[in-house]
Amino acid sequence: KNEVEQSPQNLTAQEGEFITINCSYSVGISALHWLQQHPGGGIVSLFMLSSGKKKHGRLIATINIQEKHSSLHITASHPRDSAVYICAVSRWETSGSRLTFGEGTQLTVNP
Amino acid sequence: DAGITQSPRYKITETGRQVTLMCHQTWSHSYMFWYRQDLGHGLRLIYYSAAADITDKGEVPDGYVVSRSKTENFPLTLESATRSQTSVYFCASSERSPGIQYFGAGTRLSVL
Repeated sequence: KNEVEQSPQNLTAQEGEFITINCSYSVGISALHWLQQHPGGGIVSLFMLSSGKKKHGRLIATINIQEKHSSLHITASHPRDSAVYICAVSRWETSGSRLTFGEGTQLTVNP
Repeated sequence: DAGITQSPRYKITETGRQVTLMCHQTWSHSYMFWYRQDLGHGLRLIYYSAAADITDKGEVPDGYVVSRSKTENFPLTLESATRSQTSVYFCASSERSPGIQYFGAGTRLSVL
C-alpha cells in the first residue's frame, strides 16, 4: 500500500462544477503539499499546510491531521484547471526535508 | 534569469555513457532535490542536499551521483546510463524544511 493515496485517479468535469480531490496518508507528517502539473510538464506548488484550511483564489485546501486526510477543492472549475494534481507529504522522520508523493489525479474540465 | 533552471531540456544517450544533468538556482535556497517521474510511480526522490557539501540518498539513488560544491548548483550524474534510467528528471529547491519546493522545467532523458 502506498504511503500517500489519492482519489480519484482520473476526474472529468464540466466547466463551472465544484471539484474535490482527496489525499490520505499513513505516515507521520510535518506538512502536506498540493502541487499542479500542467500538460506541458511544469510543476507548481499550490499549497503547503499543516493544519486547518488555506484558500487561494478558487482553490481551497483542507487537512484533518487526526484522520490523516486532506482535500483539494476547486470552485467554479474552468478548462484551464485541467492538469494533474499531486499530493505530497513532508515526513517527520526526515525533518520534513523529503517529500513522498501520491501518484496524482488527472483532472479534465470540459467547456 | 531568476529562478531554477535545468539543462539540457532533452537528452538522448546510449547505454553505458556518462550523462550529467545540471540544475542551477538563483535564490540561495539551502535545500535542493532531484526527482524522477515515471508512469505508474509518480515522483520519486533520487538525492537531496541540505546545504553545500551535504547530500543524502533518497528512494532510488542507485546508478546516480550528486555533488554540491556551491549552494546554487546541484548536478546529477548517471555514471553508466541504463535503459531503466529513461525518465523525466526534475530538480527542485526550497528555502527551509519543510518548505514550499520550487521545481525546474524538467529534463527528458532517453537512454537507447
